[in-house]
Amino acid sequence: EAAVTQSPRNKVTVTGGNVTLSCRQTNSHNYMYWYRQDTGHGLRLIHYSYGAGNLQIGDVPDGYKATRTTQEDFFLLLELASPSQTSLYFCASRKLGVSYEQYFGPGTRLTVL
Amino acid sequence: GQGVEQPAKLMSVEGTFARVNCTYSTSGFNGLSWYQQREGQAPVFLSYVVLDGLKDSGHFSTFLSRSNGYSYLLLTELQIKDSASYLCAVREKDNYAQGLTFGLGTRVSVFP
Repeated sequence: EAAVTQSPRNKVTVTGGNVTLSCRQTNSHNYMYWYRQDTGHGLRLIHYSYGAGNLQIGDVPDGYKATRTTQEDFFLLLELASPSQTSLYFCASRKLGVSYEQYFGPGTRLTVL
Repeated sequence: GQGVEQPAKLMSVEGTFARVNCTYSTSGFNGLSWYQQREGQAPVFLSYVVLDGLKDSGHFSTFLSRSNGYSYLLLTELQIKDSASYLCAVREKDNYAQGLTFGLGTRVSVFP
């Protein structure tokens, strides 16, 4: 069973604040993804990576940066948080060659006041 | 996602069945996945289909018609614990690295 963990699980910050969301997977998956999930919009891809040091832009990247420091670790950075970034954030990973099955972390609920 | 459509809600009765529909439009279809997501939890992979027809996996079965851009997830012998959202996700040939385009999900409510 693939293991993906996220921290923190809940975070409250203020407008203009600096937030880092962390994700770790322990199954040597090549691909990692950051999504946000909002009512009426479903899961939307922010950034993704196919290996350490690699970063690709997703569908809704504005206001977000990401870094993949190792095979295991993928971070999402909000340097000037805004209320519109209040959301449920999921990290996911998958094996090379198996794009139909993603393993999701438990999510981080972020509130920007 | 814009190219993947699902009804928002579906209600059914314990012991019966529920069929969750999904329609998609894409220039390079390369398979469709179904995920279950309980309230406040992460999506969990259920099934993947790429060939036309019915794929029977017991409690969950899936159907695909590529010519019609249509799939459904069939849940049989429903239990209360099957109440969840079910997400349809399409894999596109041109977006292999990005992975999947998700629909908004169908919230299935199972009543006694």
